[in-house]
Amino acid sequence: GAVVSQHPSRVICKSGTSVKIECRSLDFQATTMFWYRQFPKKSLMLMATSNEGSKATYEQGVEKDKFLINHASLTLSTLTVTSAHPEDSSFYICSARTENTEAFFGQGTRLTVV
Amino acid sequence: AQTVTQSQPEMSVQEAETVTLSCTYDTSESDYYLFWYKQPPSRQMILVIRQEAYKQQNATENRFSVNFQKAAKSFSLKISDSQLGDAAMYFCAYGVINNDMRFGAGTRLTVKP
Repeated sequence: GAVVSQHPSRVICKSGTSVKIECRSLDFQATTMFWYRQFPKKSLMLMATSNEGSKATYEQGVEKDKFLINHASLTLSTLTVTSAHPEDSSFYICSARTENTEAFFGQGTRLTVV
Repeated sequence: AQTVTQSQPEMSVQEAETVTLSCTYDTSESDYYLFWYKQPPSRQMILVIRQEAYKQQNATENRFSVNFQKAAKSFSLKISDSQLGDAAMYFCAYGVINNDMRFGAGTRLTVKP
């Protein structure tokens, strides 16, 4: 299957700083990537849909200025958590869809804000 | 809005036995896809099986099979000959081409030796 690489897998940052998470499709071009947040023992909650070359579409309740998403190329999307606070600590997962609609997921990033 | 419901937060099965995980969904679309994903402790999402809504035949992948009832909007996963490595969270998901996927709340499967 297709490979999606997410980096870093774990990150700890200080409250008030920003952190960037990268999502790369290694062997296919993904015109659309998705960013999810997963709380402990909970399901994946869609945060935003990232389209190459255009602005991301955010789900209701997700702060656009807080979670900056950039999809600069067909193989890279980034999520930047700005001015992070402890409540932003979570597991973030990206996925990329192929033309067959099957989604391939990155390994996820565990963010801890201290 | 499309919703996916998994009514079993936890399930348990004896090794080598069979277990069925339930999933129902709600949609007004006629063409869509359904998936079962496995999330082990590593938290990597792994596709287990998928079903195209236009196909009447139930999908199978080795020990994994589904019972797809389109009229009832039901999509259950059957795991035969359960193995210890099958222990994980299982998520049912719904997707429409070129759109995002929606996930159920998940079912935690425990396999007893």
